[in-house]
Amino acid sequence: AQKVTQAQTEISVVEKEDVTLDCVYETRDTTYYLFWYKQPPSGELVFLIRRNSFDEQNEISGRYSWNFQKSTSSFNFTITASQVVDSAVYFCALGTLSGGYNKLIFGAGTRLAVHP
Amino acid sequence: DAGVIQSPRHEVTEMGQEVTLRCKPISGHDYLFWYRQTMMRGLELLIYFNNNVPIDDSGMPEDRFSAKMPNASFSTLKIQPSEPRDSAVYFCASSLEPAYSGSNQPQHFGDGTRLSIL
Repeated sequence: AQKVTQAQTEISVVEKEDVTLDCVYETRDTTYYLFWYKQPPSGELVFLIRRNSFDEQNEISGRYSWNFQKSTSSFNFTITASQVVDSAVYFCALGTLSGGYNKLIFGAGTRLAVHP
Repeated sequence: DAGVIQSPRHEVTEMGQEVTLRCKPISGHDYLFWYRQTMMRGLELLIYFNNNVPIDDSGMPEDRFSAKMPNASFSTLKIQPSEPRDSAVYFCASSLEPAYSGSNQPQHFGDGTRLSIL
């Protein structure tokens, strides 16, 4: 079975704090893809990153960084020096071979509130 | 570049009415997806198309839901008859290539249609 768990329903931080959003996935496939999407208050879904299961290198993009660890089936997302504009719901998603890759399975999302 | 365009942005209608949601994918994208987002069930894939052909409709809730893609630049999701439990935000997304391709092409989402069935 394929599953994505985002255990943190809501996180509240003060601006400039670092915050990590957890994502744990389940799949028996050896080839799969992981994604993070951002849904700001305006409602649209914005693609942030995609990683494939063969690439465990961590990635940094500005204040955003991602830590992919196959050993713990986790793909965590860290925002450094958070800003009010980071307030949004963040979704982790999984695409697998058995699911045809295109059939993304989304976690429940983590609502991040960054306060000034 | 124009993104995925959905219409209407909001729809409020009475139970029993037919509802049609529309989507224009990004030009050149071969894959089109319909998702539904609710508080209870989160984001769920309803159906997706490849080159206008439905590939997987296992997420479509029941026969009241139908989706079509008559050409590469247009898709509809229809609910007939609508029920209050269909109230949700419906997203359309498109992608250039399948996720397993070597390129880093994600699914690009539209702004969604917020549907309220009274």
